[in-house]
Amino acid sequence: AQSVTQLGSHVSVSEGALVLLRCNYSSSVPPYLFWYVQYPNQGLQLLLKYTTGATLVKGINGFEAEFKKSETSFHLTKPSAHMSDAAEYFCAVRSPNFGNEKLTFGTGTRLTIIP
Amino acid sequence: ETGVTQSPTHLIKTRGQQVTLRCSSQSGHNTVSWYQQALGQGPQFIFQYYREEENGRGNFPPRFSGLQFPNYSSELNVNALELDDSALYLCASRPEGMGGRGAQYFGPGTRLLVL
Repeated sequence: AQSVTQLGSHVSVSEGALVLLRCNYSSSVPPYLFWYVQYPNQGLQLLLKYTTGATLVKGINGFEAEFKKSETSFHLTKPSAHMSDAAEYFCAVRSPNFGNEKLTFGTGTRLTIIP
Repeated sequence: ETGVTQSPTHLIKTRGQQVTLRCSSQSGHNTVSWYQQALGQGPQFIFQYYREEENGRGNFPPRFSGLQFPNYSSELNVNALELDDSALYLCASRPEGMGGRGAQYFGPGTRLLVL
């Protein structure tokens, strides 16, 4: 079984400061990893994904994440926060087995940007 | 813009009723999954369909059922509605190819309220 732990249900950072959202996973095989963002009353938008290859992946809106197998982590970062980054962020894992579409999500981190 | 649409956007039902939610994906998206997102929680996997057949299911009772059609549309049906079924229901589809490494793209969701 796979699981995801997102440390910090609420994170507040000042505009222009570093954003760091933590995600740790548990999986019997190296999984595929995803970060999604959800704005109020909307669906989920893909920020970035890791499947194979380079462990540092870049996504939209200046976000990036690094897959660290030894730490079973996939933390999301952005060098400089913008007011428009305020949203709910979800980390998710998926088995690499072909045909298995199930995404297992963390409980989410609500990011607040302080002006 | 993910190319995945859902209808209706909002729905109010009473306990014991039945509901049908609809999703339309892009051409070439042969895989569709449905998720339930309760307030303040991460999405939970209900089931997945590939080429019109259910081939994966989460921990949801049989009163949750679905259909997938050749025109890349799909339905989620819920019978005998319960108060706990109140949630945002998300549809996600994934394009064929990429060796299964493609990400799922989510629709905006249908918010269901059961009274």
